[in-house]
Amino acid sequence: QKEVEQDPGPLSVPEGAIVSLNCTYSNSAFQYFMWYRQYSRKGPELLMYTYSSGNKEDGRFTAQVDKSSKYISLFIRDSQPSDSATYLCAMSASRTGTASKLTFGTGTRLQVTL
Amino acid sequence: NAGVTQTPKFQVLKTGQSMTLQCAQDMNHNSMYWYRQDPGMGLRLIYYSASEGTTDKGEVPNGYNVSRLNKREFSLRLESAAPSQTSVYFCASSNSNQPQHFGDGTRLSIL
Repeated sequence: QKEVEQDPGPLSVPEGAIVSLNCTYSNSAFQYFMWYRQYSRKGPELLMYTYSSGNKEDGRFTAQVDKSSKYISLFIRDSQPSDSATYLCAMSASRTGTASKLTFGTGTRLQVTL
Repeated sequence: NAGVTQTPKFQVLKTGQSMTLQCAQDMNHNSMYWYRQDPGMGLRLIYYSASEGTTDKGEVPNGYNVSRLNKREFSLRLESAAPSQTSVYFCASSNSNQPQHFGDGTRLSIL
């Protein structure tokens, strides 16, 4: 069983829809949670970075962490065709940086149609 | 501001050949990382360097070596390439308390 599980999709939604992307994990030591967006043939780009449980909002994006359920979510409001990409969740048991290692989900491919 | 730069962007090798993937960052980050990305497997850590002068194995280090040349540069070497090493390789960097920033990858095919 993988430490981090993520539905690979693809997920297809119409423009303007609310998108919900999710990951579950098994390691209770994870404290730092990230969402990356990856366009085709590009590297992952950081979208959201949260610590412990709770919500964080940035524009059309909201990240939620529920440590009791070992479940994290990314919500995208008013989705746009430019949001079409693969979304990767990542998590760490220590602060990102020195001696820190991220564990990634396999990514969910999202397509937003006109 | 280029961020993390990887060279080359594409490479085709024959089994048994060697090559070095280059990575440089201009963000003055202390830590650097090498990942490989395969379909259905996600990003897996090969090696990382917590600071200049140190390197450590990640999840999948077999068949690879690394060199932290200086604070800016971190290279990944395949001594004897195998078809199982066909993948997309990403370099990343970070500082303490900050998330990792990624380059755009090197697409490597081994025939």
